[in-house]
Amino acid sequence: GAGVSQSPSNKVTEKGKDVELRCDPISGHTALYWYRQSLGQGLEFLIYFQGNSAPDKSGLPSDRFSAERTGGSVSTLTIQRTQQEDSAVYLCASTPPRRAGGETQYFGPGTRLLVL
Amino acid sequence: AQKVTQAQTEISVVEKEDVTLDCVYETRDTTYYLFWYKQPPSGELVFLIRRNSFDEQNEISGRYSWNFQKSTSSFNFTITASQVVDSAVYFCALSGGGPSGTYKYIFGTGTRLKVLA
Repeated sequence: GAGVSQSPSNKVTEKGKDVELRCDPISGHTALYWYRQSLGQGLEFLIYFQGNSAPDKSGLPSDRFSAERTGGSVSTLTIQRTQQEDSAVYLCASTPPRRAGGETQYFGPGTRLLVL
Repeated sequence: AQKVTQAQTEISVVEKEDVTLDCVYETRDTTYYLFWYKQPPSGELVFLIRRNSFDEQNEISGRYSWNFQKSTSSFNFTITASQVVDSAVYFCALSGGGPSGTYKYIFGTGTRLKVLA
């Protein structure tokens, strides 16, 4: 079966432009997470989707960041008016339906965003 | 609050040496899960192991072994007879379990392992 896919793999944009990053989770996975990883750093939680519940947006760094998940599957992370400090790798992960909790996260290859 | 500490920022070893990566965690959940991931230079995080808080048995998988000790809140990872292909950043992570456990995954800052030929 296919793993988590993300597109584009790399994105170079100019400061002030908007970008959209896409995540396609593993089929049947109900939870989806977005993380940001700056160069040489750990993973910073951005947002969490679980089924039809309201997403947990507590990790979004500013109102320039937003995300949606359509039909409980594909998710898009949008960054408006990009800034140079937005340059990072954006990782998406999905997990199977929550039962006991602590389900294994499966990560996509990430989108490397460079803002010039 | 939940927290994962990987105090070792970077470790360098010579091939065939054994190496242990430390992970110390904090949580208020009575049920929780611990993970290790490997992030090779290619960038994609690879799942290595998942362990729940009720299972303190050590686990061995080939050259990899994990030592989970609730008494010290540690979940250390040992690579035996390291190889150059083990060079990567390794992340320890924590998540809550049960109906009230947190669904967030807390990651440590990672340990960069360099295995020299």
